[in-house]
Amino acid sequence: GPKVLQIPSHQIIDMGQMVTLNCDPVSNHLYFYWYKQILGQQMEFLVNFYNGKVMEKSKLFKDQFSVERPDGSYFTLKIQPTALEDSAVYFCASSLAGGVQNTLYFGAGTRLSVL
Amino acid sequence: QQKVQQSPESLIVPEGGMASLNCTFSDRNSQYFWWYRQHSGEGPKALMSIFSNGDKKEGRFTAHLNKASLHVSLHIKDSQPSDSALYFCAVSLSGSFNKLTFGAGTRLAVCP
Repeated sequence: GPKVLQIPSHQIIDMGQMVTLNCDPVSNHLYFYWYKQILGQQMEFLVNFYNGKVMEKSKLFKDQFSVERPDGSYFTLKIQPTALEDSAVYFCASSLAGGVQNTLYFGAGTRLSVL
Repeated sequence: QQKVQQSPESLIVPEGGMASLNCTFSDRNSQYFWWYRQHSGEGPKALMSIFSNGDKKEGRFTAHLNKASLHVSLHIKDSQPSDSALYFCAVSLSGSFNKLTFGAGTRLAVCP
């Protein structure tokens, strides 16, 4: 089936540094998402993105977070600066369209450890 | 704010048995309901969706939705060891751009 690739699978950084998480979505998909899962808790919506713009974001999407997909390349989540509470697994997803009936395809996640 | 709760947290069924997973949600504006399955080391993968009250069957999997009682369930018939995974219920509200609220998951183990 369709695959979403996330790079890297694990990233370790020092608090205060910048980190960029990369996502290669399904090739013909137009909507992109980031979800955050803290260890032992449920996955939570961060942001969705379409046509170069953030459509919706949650309160977890702090000012230090940004997303972009320059020229159809990777869909990225940048955190600058990082904080200890940003340690989590971040899942990228994509869908063909934005309606609630459209399937989200998830990557395997990037585990971010902030020291 | 939407709350999605799943039960049980974990479930063990014998191979060939029936597994029943439950999910309750809090917002009556909820529109679309998904079941996702996640095997170890992989991302969640959509199993099936339901939006009308009643049953929806896809192979060995049957979803049941009762919006009035804010409840959705997944039943797996003839469970196989390969069904062993973490199962998530996810709910979207009308008017949202596919913004899903997930439950914490039910861990299913199917024993040969």
